[in-house]
Amino acid sequence: GESVGLHLPTLSVQEGDNSIINCAYSNSASDYFIWYKQESGKGPQFIIDIRSNMDKRQGQRVTVLLNKTVKHLSLQIAATQPGDSAVYFCAENIDSGNTPLVFGKGTRLSVIA
Amino acid sequence: EPEVTQTPSHQVTQMGQEVILRCVPISNHLYFYWYRQILGQKVEFLVSFYNNEISEKSEIFDDQFSVERPDGSNFTLKIRSTKLEDSAMYFCASSKQGAGNTIYFGEGSWLTVV
Repeated sequence: GESVGLHLPTLSVQEGDNSIINCAYSNSASDYFIWYKQESGKGPQFIIDIRSNMDKRQGQRVTVLLNKTVKHLSLQIAATQPGDSAVYFCAENIDSGNTPLVFGKGTRLSVIA
Repeated sequence: EPEVTQTPSHQVTQMGQEVILRCVPISNHLYFYWYRQILGQKVEFLVSFYNNEISEKSEIFDDQFSVERPDGSNFTLKIRSTKLEDSAMYFCASSKQGAGNTIYFGEGSWLTVV
């Protein structure tokens, strides 16, 4: 079965509001997680990452939360802007060996101006 | 800011033809990857490459696929005999270290097999 998945395939948010994109993972051995943003016709763009020894990490306008107990990851975007409209993927990895990065299906974020 | 570059951005090829997709990874990176994304679907791992050899590959990466680092800067993906189902966006990626480190992606090469 699929190791990484997303709860909501689409999310519409009013400009200026906060966005929360969720991701569930099933591989309890995963210990490194990345959020990517993909705009139409472009490659995945790194947003933020987090390791399993942390439960929260903040970047510029973005925060990633990790709940290892329920194997849940979320990306929070503060003051969402039209330029944030894209598909967001979470990806997981095991921080050793040659295990490849595994992507979830993606959530499309649409920002309403 | 250093980036992964890929060529061509779009290629149309006839079924059965050979295709080579080219990539220039970020210069101080040691690990290289190819992923693909069929339209509307998630990004799927194909192969990882380190120290001039394949370190991991997926079920998708069958005998029709091969990778090569012909010189110090390029990393190529060859599809020997393309099939219709090979139509996808192919992303090259690289990272400084292996598992557990940030992987940076190129803009992709869109392959259409007709």
